[in-house]
Amino acid sequence: DTGVSQDPRHKITKRGQNVTFRCDPISEHNRLYWYRQTLGQGPEFLTYFQNEAQLEKSRLLSDRFSAERPKGSFSTLEIQRTEQGDSAMYLCASSLDWTSRQETQYFGPGTRLLVL
Amino acid sequence: QQPVQSPQAVILREGEDAVINCSSSKALYSVHWYRQKHGEAPVFLMILLKGGEQKGHEKISASFNEKKQQSSLYLTASQLSYSGTYFCGTEGQGKLIFGQGTTLQVKP
Repeated sequence: DTGVSQDPRHKITKRGQNVTFRCDPISEHNRLYWYRQTLGQGPEFLTYFQNEAQLEKSRLLSDRFSAERPKGSFSTLEIQRTEQGDSAMYLCASSLDWTSRQETQYFGPGTRLLVL
Repeated sequence: QQPVQSPQAVILREGEDAVINCSSSKALYSVHWYRQKHGEAPVFLMILLKGGEQKGHEKISASFNEKKQQSSLYLTASQLSYSGTYFCGTEGQGKLIFGQGTTLQVKP
């Protein structure tokens, strides 16, 4: 079990550019979550998938953000026309289905985005 | 609804104890505790389920008070390695909603 992996670990981009991040969950996990974290704050929920279905997207999330999980395995998060306010750590997490309520989310190392 | 953690920050000497609280205005089914070190991802510590069961992880334990809709994390005989930011996450419609965090600094 290699855990949740994310790529790239760091990304510096200029305002207005598009960026895409990848997350590979723990292999048997069917749920995948994206969070955003800024300095001094807790992780803020963005969206989550169960298999390939996107079940929820935060109402606070701009239309410039889109996420996919086409085959129910890895996921990508794309930010179009980046703004300086998008600078943050983007965290991916995965879990098994929560029907038993014994499960939890396991986080990847994150992708740190800096928009200049 | 984001859970509220208190205190926001704690400074301890090695060997001292600390308590971190996590409160919610909504009914709680489970509370998940994580620790995050600077520049790293949050690491899962333990999950507390509805029912008040207390759990332990090394010298870190937690309780769940259903009536108060609150969970407390207890760190006893703190070690330098306990330094970091502690987050509680409460379950909401299939995902976790995290508090703002409590920063713990343990000094020699």
